[in-house]
This record gives sequence, C-alpha cells and structure tokens, in this order.
Amino acid sequence: SYVLSQPPSVSVAPGETATITCGGDNIGSYDVHWYQQSPGQAPVVVIFSNAVRPSGIPERFSGSRSWNTATLTISSAEAGDEADYYCQVWDRHSDHRAFGGGTKLTVL
Amino acid sequence: LQLVESGGGVVQPGRSLRLSCAVSGLSVSVTEIHWVRQSPDKGLEWVTFLSYDGQLKDYAESVRGRFTISRDNFKSTVDLQANGLRPEDAGVYYCARSGDSGVLDKWGRGTRIIVSS
Repeated sequence: SYVLSQPPSVSVAPGETATITCGGDNIGSYDVHWYQQSPGQAPVVVIFSNAVRPSGIPERFSGSRSWNTATLTISSAEAGDEADYYCQVWDRHSDHRAFGGGTKLTVL
Repeated sequence: LQLVESGGGVVQPGRSLRLSCAVSGLSVSVTEIHWVRQSPDKGLEWVTFLSYDGQLKDYAESVRGRFTISRDNFKSTVDLQANGLRPEDAGVYYCARSGDSGVLDKWGRGTRIIVSS
C-alpha cells in the first residue's frame, strides 16, 4: 500500500506561517488532498487536488505539490487553526485511499 | 448530501457488529462510499469502499476477510458487516463520499466501536 509521511507536530506563533509537509514515493503523480480534524469532529477538506480550496475555507489555506512533496501552508495562523491535519491520495492501482499519519498543529 | 452512521457499540472480541451509513440528499446508487476508521488517539485509516454502481469494492489488508461492505438501495444505506472483531478494530468509524479526484468530500459524524471482554 502507498505510504505517506507527515511530521507528527508543527508549532507556529499566531500570525506567522505554518507549513505541513507530506512525502510519498513519486507523490507528484498523485492528486493530494488535505483534511483538518478538530478534537471530537469529523475531518473536513481544506485543500483538494493539490491546491484547490473548497468554498468556505479561508484564503489563508493553500496547497502545493512538487515531485516528491506536497505542502499545506497556513498563513497568518490563528488559534482556531489548531487541529490535526492529514494528507491523502487516491491510489488508482488499487482504488484504495491512503492517509498520512497526521500532523498536530499547535498555535502558541 | 448528508451521511449518518449508526450501529456502533461495545462488543466482545471475536463477535460481530453491523454498521450502517444512511445517505440522504443524493441517491445512494450514484454515490461512492468509503469507510474510514480512527483508533483512539491515532490517525485516520482507510477501511473499504463501494463504487457508485456497486460493482467495485475492496478492503484494507487489516480487515480483509472479516469485514464486508454492501448497499441497500431501498433503504439508502451502505453497511459494513464487521466480523471477528479484535481490540485493534476499536475506534470511530466514519463513512464518507468520494468526489472527483478521490477526495472524500463529505463525512458523517462517526459511530464508535469498543472491543472489550
């Protein structure tokens, strides 16, 4: 199965920029999606197809992808952005979905 | 579109549970549904999916041979029959709809399985 790697935790000061990375073999050939999950809540899509922001998601959230890394960037971080963030791809060979291990974002 | 899970509970190791995902606001027969679980204080783990036409399904290795996904078009539900439950199967089970490009763009609130003797 396809393996995605994320840092377990990222810290950012309020108002600064947080960067969360997601690595995988040849990840540049996959569409990468990002989810935000607050405690006790279901995941919510914040970025899909590498860089597309769903309606209702602030412009502070952006995504990018290179050949070996996908990145979620949260600019002007706010206390309300504290959550777990997961990257995910669709492994078309198997039709499975693969999730990264998740990154806990702390805004301190 | 709304997804609502039910059927979770406390079960002894080796026993079974049947989870259900009720789909409303869109016909279940045109909806690809996935089940994703989350063990306590752990990350998201993809479990299984059923294609919109009901023809394709597959499972994570961790549940293959024990879990079965199915659909009831009349009741508008996608069910997950979980047999031979193990302690490591405990957690919150979410159903989610797959949109274009494989994103899971709509999730239910989840239902919890506790496996304990």
